[in-house]
Amino acid sequence: GEEVAQTPKHLVRGEGQKAKLYCAPIKGHSYVFWYQQVLKNEFKFLISFQNENVFDETGMPKERFSAKCLPNSPCSLEIQATKLEDSAVYFCASRSTGSYSPLHFGNGTRLTVT
Amino acid sequence: AQSVTQPDIHITVSEGASLELRCNYSYGATPYLFWYVQSPGQGLQLLLKYFSGDTLVQGIKGFEAEFKRSQSSFNLRKPSVHWSDAAEYFCAVGLITGNQFYFGTGTSLTVIP
Repeated sequence: GEEVAQTPKHLVRGEGQKAKLYCAPIKGHSYVFWYQQVLKNEFKFLISFQNENVFDETGMPKERFSAKCLPNSPCSLEIQATKLEDSAVYFCASRSTGSYSPLHFGNGTRLTVT
Repeated sequence: AQSVTQPDIHITVSEGASLELRCNYSYGATPYLFWYVQSPGQGLQLLLKYFSGDTLVQGIKGFEAEFKRSQSSFNLRKPSVHWSDAAEYFCAVGLITGNQFYFGTGTSLTVIP
């Protein structure tokens, strides 16, 4: 599609439950990024993919967070055993392979951990 | 280390007044630069980008930005602000090597009638 599609829009989980977020990048975009926006203004990089391969995972909390981008499927970000501090808006972005191509963002998934 | 600084956390302007939002970056080489706008409950929308050439770039919604290498700045401007411009604005730096992007902490714009 022409837009980055993120589902669901809102997700509520009890502490300790699993949360799974999905992202369909713009068709033809090879790179997918996940960001976490905890406070209103801070974007924390989590992970990026080049097609189905992890490109950079330096921002991922390794113990509970995992992500995948499989062929012909939306990308996913999964949080096992959610904690209160995981409450945030999670944004997915994609970009094409052009050297100067910008990130195109989805509308985010708001995760609330209670 | 690379960084992006938006010194103004919050700006209030009157509708019709001009606007300038500041952005400074720290990076050894010329990065490519972006401004994004985020409305409540929405993702980031690209306003404009710069990577080379003319240092004054035009974007959508009447915005422009000027790259000043000597000041490591990429300030966003608009001659006449509309009430619908009230939003959060983010400056971002992209590094070609490493496919990495760094975001400022944003400037919240309030427009008063």
